[in-house]
Amino acid sequence: DIQMTQSPSTQSASVGDRVTITCRASQSISSRLAWYQQKSGKAPKLLIYQASRLESGVPSRFSGSGSGTEFTLTISSLQADDFGTYYCQQYSSYSWTFGQGTKVEIK
Amino acid sequence: EVQVVESGGGLVQPGRSLRLSCTTSGFTFGDYAMSWVRQAPGKGLEWVGVMRSKAYGGTTEYAASVKGRFTISRDDSKTTAYLQMNILKTEDTAVYYCLRGREYFDYWGQGTLVTVSS
Repeated sequence: DIQMTQSPSTQSASVGDRVTITCRASQSISSRLAWYQQKSGKAPKLLIYQASRLESGVPSRFSGSGSGTEFTLTISSLQADDFGTYYCQQYSSYSWTFGQGTKVEIK
Repeated sequence: EVQVVESGGGLVQPGRSLRLSCTTSGFTFGDYAMSWVRQAPGKGLEWVGVMRSKAYGGTTEYAASVKGRFTISRDDSKTTAYLQMNILKTEDTAVYYCLRGREYFDYWGQGTLVTVSS
């Protein structure tokens, strides 16, 4: 299976900060990557698919980039509602796999 | 409005079986693959499997950890997907989410908790 590794595991940031989360794949996955946000006790929410395509209804402060093995999710100006855990997911090769998650804490 | 609602979770003993249901509305169910993802308490997300739409053969794929024990099925007339779980193990304890989609997942249910314990 393709391993997905996220960094950092936890990020503490202030409202208005630019936040970047990295996801690395153990082999090339082209652009077949999605990002999700999960809040405590809730189901994950799709933010980005195809590495950089913004899901409908997701604020434009979220953006994704990368291809091959290295990807980033950027929140351009962190809002209080953006706390939660973020996961990347590859869909290049079965079994699909998720990163271990990055917890974003609001200072 | 798209809705995805799981049911059927609960406490079950190791070695027993359980069937989860995923009832949907608000979209043309037969046009979509349906998937399952699980999340053990306090842990990350694990893909379980997918069933493609009839147009793509209705075929299935499974994670190695559940292959041979879990079976995904669907009833397009009832807009419902199912996850049959057999020979359950304690490590299958998790919240099980039903999702619309094959590759990435734009609609998720609220999840149903399955606890495998004696």
